[in-house]
Amino acid sequence: EVQLVESGGGLVQPGGSLRLSCAASGFTLRVYEMNWVRQAPGRGLEWVSYSTSSGSAISYADSVKGRFTFSRDNAKNSLYLQMNSLTAEDTAVYYCARESMIAGDAFDYWGQGTLVTVSS
Amino acid sequence: SYELTQPPSVSVSPGQTARITCSGDALPNQYTYWYQQKPGQAPVLVIYKDNERPSGIPERFSGSTSGTTVTLTISGVQAEDEADYYCQSVDSSGPYRVFGGGTKLTVL
Repeated sequence: EVQLVESGGGLVQPGGSLRLSCAASGFTLRVYEMNWVRQAPGRGLEWVSYSTSSGSAISYADSVKGRFTFSRDNAKNSLYLQMNSLTAEDTAVYYCARESMIAGDAFDYWGQGTLVTVSS
Repeated sequence: SYELTQPPSVSVSPGQTARITCSGDALPNQYTYWYQQKPGQAPVLVIYKDNERPSGIPERFSGSTSGTTVTLTISGVQAEDEADYYCQSVDSSGPYRVFGGGTKLTVL
């Protein structure tokens, strides 16, 4: 069974940092492109970052570029999102999502999300 | 990256047909994907590559395209279909992924 489990969320002060993790199981992570997506309270989905299967190419939404870093350790079946210089606008549930290998660029599996709250 | 535009809300009575649109200049050149999200839950893929349905998704869900607009159609809407729906596509210049703003489907 494919599973994605995010962790590392919590309360952080403005200007602070947080590192999210996403543990993958039930599939071979190293062959899949992966993404981070967030959802602010009461708001819509916002794509955050994308990684090729090897991690050799990573892209970011303009809203997080220069502050967030997406990395992956395929040997440990894990993804990471290092978030720096956090502001209240970064408060959201953060999801990791797998891109399908047979359904184009569809996000076929999602984690349950981890909540990040930026507040003093 | 470019934007995808969805209506904020759509309302239909049970048994009727709901149509949710998604507009974007680059959509003729990229596939569109649709997700259903119920409160407190992660999104679920309901349509991929414009009009393909994943296994386990009811046949009443379908997708279509016309120029810069794609449409998610739910035929014979049921109460359980009440949810937020998001379109998503790819901006290959990045490569970036893009979501529409979401549409709240209300079943009256």
